Amino acid sequence: NAGVTQTPKFQVLKTGQSMTLQCAQDMNHEYMSWYRQDPGMGLRLIHYSVGAGITDQGEVPNGYNVSRSTTEDFPLRLLSAAPSQTSVYFCASSYSQGGYNSPLHFGNGTRLTVT
Amino acid sequence: AQKVTQAQTEISVVEKEDVTLDCVYETRDTTYYLFWYKQPPSGELVFLIRRNSFDEQNEISGRYSWNFQKSTSSFNFTITASQVVDSAVYFCAPSPGGGADGLTFGKGTHLIIQP
Repeated sequence: NAGVTQTPKFQVLKTGQSMTLQCAQDMNHEYMSWYRQDPGMGLRLIHYSVGAGITDQGEVPNGYNVSRSTTEDFPLRLLSAAPSQTSVYFCASSYSQGGYNSPLHFGNGTRLTVT
Repeated sequence: AQKVTQAQTEISVVEKEDVTLDCVYETRDTTYYLFWYKQPPSGELVFLIRRNSFDEQNEISGRYSWNFQKSTSSFNFTITASQVVDSAVYFCAPSPGGGADGLTFGKGTHLIIQP
């Protein structure tokens, strides 16, 4: 049972480049989300999804797109990377929406540097 | 608006001392869940405990205990007889409104246990 798998673990981009951070879970969780973690800021919610075909914005959605075509996958797209997007990104899933009834299961994170 | 505060940015204690991490959650919601997560130096996020807003009983699990007081909006976490392996960043994370908005993380408390 792999849980939540994020790829890649590390990525360096140049300003203006695009890329997709992958996230997959094998627990049949309906709820998935993306957070970014910056020093001294805790984790901030970027986007979330309560099921396939449904996505919504979190606290810091600008510069990021998501889609949810299957229950298992929830990729995060950076359309035009900026240095302000240098961060550690965590994908998380839970059995029910928003962690209300169950805790979030986190992936191991992707460390992204934009130069 | 909801607000979660972890006022202690960093705490350093000597091994075997007891240590309490503070969390204050200000909200008008009457129903919510509160979570604690641990992030060791390796970077992964580990779920520790979930409590709901109706349950003010203290909970003890081994060396960990949690004290929730709704009247003061505080949800504190105590480690007794601390060990070096407890060194980590600890995040308090309420689930506001019980909806799909995801968890709101505090900025975290960096706990350092010195041998």
